[in-house]
Amino acid sequence: GNSVTQMEGPVTLSEEAFLTINCTYTATGYPSLFWYVQYPGEGLQLLLKATKADDKGSNKGFEATYRKETTSFHLEKGSVQVSDSAVYFCALPMNTGFQKLVFGTGTRLLVSP
Amino acid sequence: DTGVSQDPRHKITKRGQNVTFRCDPISEHNRLYWYRQTLGQGPEFLTYFQNEAQLEKSRLLSDRFSAERPKGSFSTLEIQRTEQGDSAMYLCASSSDKKNTEAFFGQGTRLTVV
Repeated sequence: GNSVTQMEGPVTLSEEAFLTINCTYTATGYPSLFWYVQYPGEGLQLLLKATKADDKGSNKGFEATYRKETTSFHLEKGSVQVSDSAVYFCALPMNTGFQKLVFGTGTRLLVSP
Repeated sequence: DTGVSQDPRHKITKRGQNVTFRCDPISEHNRLYWYRQTLGQGPEFLTYFQNEAQLEKSRLLSDRFSAERPKGSFSTLEIQRTEQGDSAMYLCASSSDKKNTEAFFGQGTRLTVV
């Protein structure tokens, strides 16, 4: 089945620094790709998604581009804020459709003032 | 619509006791999923409903676990004879096959077995 690997954390940055969190995947075909964010003590929120190759998902200043050549979906933000401190999960469907997702292990981001 | 709702948010129970969690999905969503998330890990799929039918169960779902969605709306997840290894966050998510949308997650129920 499909799988995803993301960089280990924690990633520690100062406010206004540039952020990259790496995510690579193994999949049959070209499934949709997702980034979810989990704030302390909370469930998961969809941050952004891309449904086909070369698509760029974006939300709240975060971006990720679906790169089929490198099977990657890296998350980037040009200038992080303290409020971005959270755990970020890369995910894709286990198989065709949206029936169930497989998640990476998560990358904790810590942003200091 | 207030999104996916889970109850309770936190549950502490003694080993060997039974616990039940509830999930209310987004009203127009006919698909419902349960995931388990242990500390420092990503969520792992447990089971999936389409309307009231339970279509798939993970090997993680031992026979002490049972999930229902009797009327195709809310769902319950019961764990019998809890063990310390059951301590985790239990997440519910829902989606719609009509719009083929992504899954929206609830805030989770954190279970601690002491």
